[in-house]
Amino acid sequence: QKEVEQDPGPLSVPEGAIVSLNCTYSNSAFQYFMWYRQYSRKGPELLMYTYSSGNKEDGRFTAQVDKSSKYISLFIRDSQPSDSATYLCAMVYNQGGKLIFGQGTELSVKP
Amino acid sequence: GAVVSQHPSWVICKSGTSVKIECRSLDFQATTMFWYRQFPKQSLMLMATSNEGSKATYEQGVEKDKFLINHASLTLSTLTVTSAHPEDSSFYICSARVGGGQPQHFGDGTRLSIL
Repeated sequence: QKEVEQDPGPLSVPEGAIVSLNCTYSNSAFQYFMWYRQYSRKGPELLMYTYSSGNKEDGRFTAQVDKSSKYISLFIRDSQPSDSATYLCAMVYNQGGKLIFGQGTELSVKP
Repeated sequence: GAVVSQHPSWVICKSGTSVKIECRSLDFQATTMFWYRQFPKQSLMLMATSNEGSKATYEQGVEKDKFLINHASLTLSTLTVTSAHPEDSSFYICSARVGGGQPQHFGDGTRLSIL
């Protein structure tokens, strides 16, 4: 079993839809949680960073962490074609630890 | 803020040559830098972690004599692929972090093609 599970998709939605992306993890020792967006042939771009259960909002993006269920989500409101990319969840055990990535979900937002 | 620059973005070279890739943190000092490799449609695979002034720590299965990492300053790390062969062709990405508890910020990657 992988430490972090993420549905690779692809996920296709119409413009303006609300997108829900999810990851589950097996080890409750993870402390820090991140979402990255990666466009084709580019490096990952940090979207959200959090370390506590609950919601964190930034513009059209909301990150949700449920440590009791070992589940994190990223919601994208009013999705745009420019949101079409691969979304990677990542988490870290401790302050000096290395990132453990999910497989990435490929999202396509159709105009 | 938190911009990481990687150079070159794309390199093609003949088998047997060595290739150097640079990773710079432009607006912050990075105590730790990381090097990843990514194959098409796959997630990032960590190759090594480097702290400024120290030897890099390589992940299991990564040949340290093949992938030389130097982290000479708080804003610059380099990866040299020595005697590159076609199987080394891949997308290499670096990241940098200010300190523990802070997220990693990634460069835009280097596409390496060995003929």
